[in-house]
Amino acid sequence: SQQGEEDPQALSIQEGENATMNCSYKTSINNLQWYRQNSGRGLVHLILIRSNEREKHSGRLRVTLDTSKKSSSLLITASRAADTASYFCATDALRGTDKLIFGTGTRLQVFP
Amino acid sequence: EADIYQTPRYLVIGTGKKITLECSQTMGHDKMYWYQQDPGMELHLIHYSYGVNSTEKGDLSSESTVSRIRTEHFPLTLESARPSHTSQYLCASSDSSVHEQYFGPGTRLTVT
Repeated sequence: SQQGEEDPQALSIQEGENATMNCSYKTSINNLQWYRQNSGRGLVHLILIRSNEREKHSGRLRVTLDTSKKSSSLLITASRAADTASYFCATDALRGTDKLIFGTGTRLQVFP
Repeated sequence: EADIYQTPRYLVIGTGKKITLECSQTMGHDKMYWYQQDPGMELHLIHYSYGVNSTEKGDLSSESTVSRIRTEHFPLTLESARPSHTSQYLCASSDSSVHEQYFGPGTRLTVT
């Protein structure tokens, strides 16, 4: 069974609004990463949060991690039409390895 | 933009043909990965390599094979393509010192 599940599956918002995506996972992790994928393209790494961190910021991105609930959230503030993409969380499948297990993804559409 | 390349970007081929999907990276990364992704779905790891002459199968069973004769090159081969192989194939690489993976643009394969 997959490690990560995300919700919502799809999200549509207006430019300027905030977008929040959630990710849940099943086993203990060393770190959790978020990636972005534009339609039909490869993934781009956004941010990594370690298991001993609770919150991390990068520009308009804010990631939280709650290891007790085995969940993470990605917040995009002041969204732009260019943020339209699919967003995936990924966890290290086996501690000490670089193999990742990806979540199901959230498809975000930002309308101008 | 990551220095990882995949060719071809799109391939439409008939059943029974042998195909090789190319992946090259110029970052000197020791680890490389192949993922399979159906439209709108999560990524599944099908092959990975920790270095030259090191290849292992991923979590999703695949009839494809890979080789890693040179650090920068990680081709994937299907001996006899079938319609069930229709999917997007994404190649990625990472360095042992960091956890993030760099992705190529993907090859969209259609087997008729």
